[in-house]
Amino acid sequence: EADIYQTPRYLVIGTGKKITLECSQTMGHDKMYWYQQDPGMELHLIHYSYGVNSTEKGDLSSESTVSRIRTEHFPLTLESARPSHTSQYLCASSGVYTEAFFGQGTRLTVV
Amino acid sequence: KNQVEQSPQSLIILEGKNCTLQCNYTVSPFSNLRWYKQDTGRGPVSLTIMTFSENTKSNGRYTATLDADTKQSSLHITASQLSDSASYICVVRSDSNYQLIWGAGTKLIIKP
Repeated sequence: EADIYQTPRYLVIGTGKKITLECSQTMGHDKMYWYQQDPGMELHLIHYSYGVNSTEKGDLSSESTVSRIRTEHFPLTLESARPSHTSQYLCASSGVYTEAFFGQGTRLTVV
Repeated sequence: KNQVEQSPQSLIILEGKNCTLQCNYTVSPFSNLRWYKQDTGRGPVSLTIMTFSENTKSNGRYTATLDADTKQSSLHITASQLSDSASYICVVRSDSNYQLIWGAGTKLIIKP
């Protein structure tokens, strides 16, 4: 069982609200990732981090921001949510030579 | 451009039957190749990970093969069970920027 946790699992919020999706891992992994996935579609990398104070944008442009102040914590923030942000957000972490472990995901609905 | 292509896009088989899913990639240089299983609404779970020098790796009823020369991999599922219904995703890790390149997945449905 992977030790990576995402909260909340489900979130329904109104347009314009600020939200933070939490992701924590207890495996000491340096690399962490945020993916966005629409139903039945492939995963798209939106942010990644190779360690504390390191954050990079992924392949898919996203209006979200991330921070990596602690190794185990990689939160994702949307300053002003819009219906186009409705999607599933998956957090993952990996070690140097290990596969990526995923959290259960946060299903976000913006109404 | 680094790409990972999977086939078929979807597959329906009867419980107890075997099946093989395909993955072709153009990622170079190549670090490793992974197969993930993703249940609907859940995060992907790793099935196998293979490096350049490995040709085959098994995990229970799942057997992955890798031909690094032709840049092809397959995932064979033996004696399928209803719980095997999921999306199976091939992921290749680039050795140049350590990025994970994701395939679109094969949606597998097992019918009783």
